[in-house]
Amino acid sequence: NAGVTQTPKFQVLKTGQSMTLQCAQDMNHEYMSWYRQDPGMGLRLIHYSVGAGITDQGEVPNGYNVSRSTTEDFPLRLLSAAPSQTSVYFCASSYVAGGSQETQYFGPGTRLLVL
Amino acid sequence: AQSVAQPEDQVNVAEGNPLTVKCTYSVSGNPYLFWYVQYPNRGLQFLLKYITGDNLVKGSYGFEAEFNKSQTSFHLKKPSALVSDSALYFCAVRSTTSGTYKYIFGTGTRLKVLA
Repeated sequence: NAGVTQTPKFQVLKTGQSMTLQCAQDMNHEYMSWYRQDPGMGLRLIHYSVGAGITDQGEVPNGYNVSRSTTEDFPLRLLSAAPSQTSVYFCASSYVAGGSQETQYFGPGTRLLVL
Repeated sequence: AQSVAQPEDQVNVAEGNPLTVKCTYSVSGNPYLFWYVQYPNRGLQFLLKYITGDNLVKGSYGFEAEFNKSQTSFHLKKPSALVSDSALYFCAVRSTTSGTYKYIFGTGTRLKVLA
């Protein structure tokens, strides 16, 4: 049971380049989400999904796309990277049912630097 | 709009002394409240949550938190701090009446336990 995995761990991009941050979970969680962590800003929700084929925007969705074709995977796409997207990105997953099972499990993070 | 406030950027406490990390929230309806801890260069780890029921919630590593609806607070506490508790702590909230699964995180409080 690997939990939540993220790749790559670290990436450097030039302004305007595109890339996909990968996230996978093996806990059969319906809910998956992407956050960015910036100094003094805490974690901010980018996009989330409550199941395959269902996605919704979070607090800071601009410049990012997501899709959810399987329960296990939730990739985050940057179509045209900007320096303002330099951050640490975390993926998380949880059961949706609420109550005792609603606990987010976080991946180890991807550190992204956009030059 | 939902919001979470962690009024202290840093809390310093001597080892063996009790510690408190403060969190207040603003959310419509009944909230789900969470505390997470982040160690250097790691993802977030779940500590405890309040869903319903007893206002005093006990979690991992001897931590506890008290839900106070009238003061809209969910402060994290531990009777006796350890040096190993030094980390970054995040409070998070989700509204159960908004129809969404948007979690809002505070900006984090750095806890430093001095030997």
